[in-house]
Amino acid sequence: AQKVTQAQTEISVVEKEDVTLDCVYETRDTTYYLFWYKQPPSGELVFLIRRNSFDEQNEISGRYSWNFQKSTSSFNFTITASQVVDSAVYFCALSEAMGETSGSRLTFGEGTQLTVNP
Amino acid sequence: KAGVTQTPRYLIKTRGQQVTLSCSPISGHRSVSWYQQTPGQGLQFLFEYFSETQRNKGNFPGRFSGRQFSNSRSEMNVSTLELGDSALYLCASSQGLRYVAETQYFGPGTRLLVL
Repeated sequence: AQKVTQAQTEISVVEKEDVTLDCVYETRDTTYYLFWYKQPPSGELVFLIRRNSFDEQNEISGRYSWNFQKSTSSFNFTITASQVVDSAVYFCALSEAMGETSGSRLTFGEGTQLTVNP
Repeated sequence: KAGVTQTPRYLIKTRGQQVTLSCSPISGHRSVSWYQQTPGQGLQFLFEYFSETQRNKGNFPGRFSGRQFSNSRSEMNVSTLELGDSALYLCASSQGLRYVAETQYFGPGTRLLVL
């Protein structure tokens, strides 16, 4: 069975601080995909990144960066120079590669509520 | 391209009633998935439809059902509502490719309150 753990329930930082959101996953599959989504108060889940299990390169997109380490089954997300608009709940999710007849399904972590104070 | 749309956005029902929620995927997307989000259980997968067929199903009772139309629009139905069905129901769409886990794009959700 797949499992995603986000041990940090809530994080509060002051604007311009860097913050890292942790994500640890469990899967028996050798091919799988990891995702991060952002959920602002409006409720809609906003896609941030998708990474497959064969691509361990770290990625940077503006103030966002992701560190994927298969050895520790972690896919951590760092926001550099945080801003008030970054305040949201962030979800890490896992999906296995689907077969001929099965579809896609995401297994989500519990989410981390990030509050960035001015 | 327009995003995923869901109607209605808010709904209040009473126990025992049934409810139907609607989802229109991004144009060209053929896969629609449904998720339930509650404070206690978090985000849980309900089911996925592709080409009018249920392709994947989560661990929910039979009171939860869905269908997909030829234009890829999807509906989910919950019969005999219980208080615990109060939740944010999120719909997501993707192209429907096989052998990969595609990015799913989510709609704004339908917030259901059961009294």
